[in-house]
Amino acid sequence: DTAVSQTPKYLVTQMGNDKSIKCEQNLGHDTMYWYKQDSKKFLKIMFSYNNKELIINETVPNRFSPKSPDKAHLNLHINSLELGDSAVYFCASSRIGQTNTEAFFGQGTRLTVV
Amino acid sequence: SQQGEEDPQALSIQEGENATMNCSYKTSINNLQWYRQNSGRGLVHLILIRSNEREKHSGRLRVTLDTSKKSSSLLITASRAADTASYFCATDVIQGAQKLVFGQGTRLTINP
Repeated sequence: DTAVSQTPKYLVTQMGNDKSIKCEQNLGHDTMYWYKQDSKKFLKIMFSYNNKELIINETVPNRFSPKSPDKAHLNLHINSLELGDSAVYFCASSRIGQTNTEAFFGQGTRLTVV
Repeated sequence: SQQGEEDPQALSIQEGENATMNCSYKTSINNLQWYRQNSGRGLVHLILIRSNEREKHSGRLRVTLDTSKKSSSLLITASRAADTASYFCATDVIQGAQKLVFGQGTRLTINP
């Protein structure tokens, strides 16, 4: 059973298109995240949702819009894709109610914009 | 600027040797965590050390934390080929919400 699953695993698309990445967790966690890993392997948080509410929104272009229909899902929609959006996007979840808790990551979605 | 910075960026050792990776950070933290990432895969949590702890062990892993120097180290003893991966430290910064801030990682290669 996959704890945090993302789809698709690979996404190749043209500039200007709109695309979505889906994420689901079956761990019963109350907080979910999107991270972006660039070509230099630098991993940076983009968004965090707790119980469907946005709690962290880093300096991310508003072309990126997260949507959390329920606690177990956090999808990422990207409008007007640009070449610089090419990266690996990771979804993660944790239980924020506990202090000192670990995050569980999905396997990543490799987005390539051409 | 990024919070966590790992040192070295790359490390290559022989199987059986010990591997030590260091991490420095800038702000106050709740805890510091180490994650492993195999090529093309997601991150896997290895160990967490709280801000009031100085050392922690888990199997072949040993983590130290020096909050006065804002630094941590990860020691992997008796390395194996399967330990080949990238290792990231992540600081859980005190901001009213859990927010993991990662460094760029150390690429560890274990040569058979």
